[in-house]
Amino acid sequence: DAGITQSPRHKVTETGTPVTLRCHQTENHRYMYWYRQDPGHGLRLIHYSYGVKDTDKGEVSDGYSVSRSKTEDFLLTLESATSSQTSVYFCAISQREGNTDTQYFGPGTRLTVL
Amino acid sequence: QQQVKQSPQSLIVQKGGIPIINCAYENTAFDYFPWYQQFPGKGPALLIAIRPDVSEKKEGRFTISFNKSAKQFSLHIMDSQPGDSATYFCAALSSGQKLVFGQGTRLTINP
Repeated sequence: DAGITQSPRHKVTETGTPVTLRCHQTENHRYMYWYRQDPGHGLRLIHYSYGVKDTDKGEVSDGYSVSRSKTEDFLLTLESATSSQTSVYFCAISQREGNTDTQYFGPGTRLTVL
Repeated sequence: QQQVKQSPQSLIVQKGGIPIINCAYENTAFDYFPWYQQFPGKGPALLIAIRPDVSEKKEGRFTISFNKSAKQFSLHIMDSQPGDSATYFCAALSSGQKLVFGQGTRLTINP
């Protein structure tokens, strides 16, 4: 599992409330990613980070913000949750293996916005 | 141009059959094509991957066939088993170490 943990694993919240999801890694990887998974859409990149305080937007970044103040932690925040953000959220890291950068995923967080 | 299109959405095969999942892409800058396997309630796990300078790669019962000119690649599972029942995703690596995923295929292997 490449030393990736996500918390919480499950969360139910109400529309309009702020939510923060945490991704923690133990192996000092530089690149970290947040994806959301929805039926029929596969996994879509929300934001990613290429170092402490270095982040960039992905394909579906609207309504989400991220922060990375330490190498090991990458936080995803929904400032004001909406029902369309009900999804399963996966964190990933990128690990260099030979001449390839391989992404490994965490166990996921199931978020329900009522 | 950043899309990866995957088919079929679902597939049912008898044990011992050879399921085939197909993916197509447009962006010729993609240079790494992994397949991920996902069981219910788990994160995707890397299964096998290929670079475009190779036409085929085998790892155990799993084979990727790659057609660079057609911009297509596919996953074959030989001697499929019920334990192979899972959702499979193809992906392609773009610039900035970003993966673009296909929509996923739910595979069921019947005993």
